[in-house]
Amino acid sequence: SAVISQKPSRDICQRGTSLTIQCQVDSQVTMMFWYRQQPGQSLTLIATANQGSEATYESGFVIDKFPISRPNLTFSTLTVSNMSPEDSSIYLCSVVVGTGPNQPQHFGDGTRLSIL
Amino acid sequence: AQKITQTQPGMFVQEKEAVTLDCTYDTSDPSYGLFWYKQPSSGEMIFLIYQGSYDQQNATEGRYSLNFQKARKSANLVISASQLGDSAMYFCAMREPPGFQKLVFGTGTRLLVSP
Repeated sequence: SAVISQKPSRDICQRGTSLTIQCQVDSQVTMMFWYRQQPGQSLTLIATANQGSEATYESGFVIDKFPISRPNLTFSTLTVSNMSPEDSSIYLCSVVVGTGPNQPQHFGDGTRLSIL
Repeated sequence: AQKITQTQPGMFVQEKEAVTLDCTYDTSDPSYGLFWYKQPSSGEMIFLIYQGSYDQQNATEGRYSLNFQKARKSANLVISASQLGDSAMYFCAMREPPGFQKLVFGTGTRLLVSP
């Protein structure tokens, strides 16, 4: 298991601004995942962040819009840039502790973001 | 194509009854893992149960069990003796090679348990 702390837990932002979300894990993990959950929708993977290398983005997500940092094995940040109302979502950080296909992903409590 | 399909947007069940939430999946790989998560209104994602593609028996965890039918590519979640606290969104998810790392989620089923 893992304890994942996400900050901020929620925010209300103005259109055109950027917000950086932090994710701290209580153990070292190889990969960290960032998901977006739009209102009433399922979770969609934004990118996978490995320590020491560029994040791998899923189709439909680009680095300019969602830059990610992964400075060490317990921490990552996701920035939502030049925000618009369509970016209003819950953003979740997730990790896998241990190896093997049966290891579940553990999630932070999410960041609820509203764009005015 | 959808990898994970949950056809029930909403389900109702009475307290103490059992309920089955449907999940079908699509993969050509013989090795994969299936997961169920619960998301209460507070928003956190809670891992419930796992089924591996090579597991011979259906997974069980307390009141949760998986009805795994490999040939039909279905992995339905059965919740026995429903409780009011089971009211939540339930997501089915799959993990495939390579790497067995990222999860692909279904659209979810909202379960409402009534007294």
